[in-house]
Amino acid sequence: EPEVTQTPSHQVTQMGQEVILRCVPISNHLYFYWYRQILGQKVEFLVSFYNNEISEKSEIFDDQFSVERPDGSNFTLKIRSTKLEDSAMYFCASSDGTGEDEQFFGPGTRLTVL
Amino acid sequence: DAKTTQPPSMDCAEGRAANLPCNHSTISGNEYVYWYRQIHSQGPQYIIHGLKNNETNEMASLIITEDRKSSTLILPHATLRDTAVYYCIVRAGAGANSKLTFGKGITLSVRP
Repeated sequence: EPEVTQTPSHQVTQMGQEVILRCVPISNHLYFYWYRQILGQKVEFLVSFYNNEISEKSEIFDDQFSVERPDGSNFTLKIRSTKLEDSAMYFCASSDGTGEDEQFFGPGTRLTVL
Repeated sequence: DAKTTQPPSMDCAEGRAANLPCNHSTISGNEYVYWYRQIHSQGPQYIIHGLKNNETNEMASLIITEDRKSSTLILPHATLRDTAVYYCIVRAGAGANSKLTFGKGITLSVRP
């Protein structure tokens, strides 16, 4: 069964450093999303992406964040200058945009900012 | 903010049906009810969704009341692996690309 994959599974970085989180969505999907979950808190929407453009972003997704689909398979989330409060699980999701458009999530990347 | 309310937790015995309730009294006519679950810290997993008719798939059944103000997710024979946080989410589903708004969910504990 096709699935969303994410790398790395765990990323440790120093405050102020740039990180790139990578996702490979399901191959025929056209809509891509990033969510995050701070430990013990709710899953929060960050951004949605379609046709090489951001469709919607939350207030969390400020100028420190960017997304890109650099090739036909990867979807990346970049945090330019990490803060302690960016420590969280980051989940990528994708959907095919048909029917009722179920989103399928990857296993997540745990980001730890020291 | 999430448009649903769920009890914080419940438990059930292994092998028995687990009935997870959800209230969504302000649901609009074009909004679907989706259920996802999250096992430990894994990525949320899609379970089922519906608009107004009851739905069943290999994982679960979804019963939506006639007025659509509440629903129940039924796991017919719960196993220990069904222990997870279950999220009931209301979302405009007929168009793509709309975000999922997660609440706190209900923690289901399946006991041996």
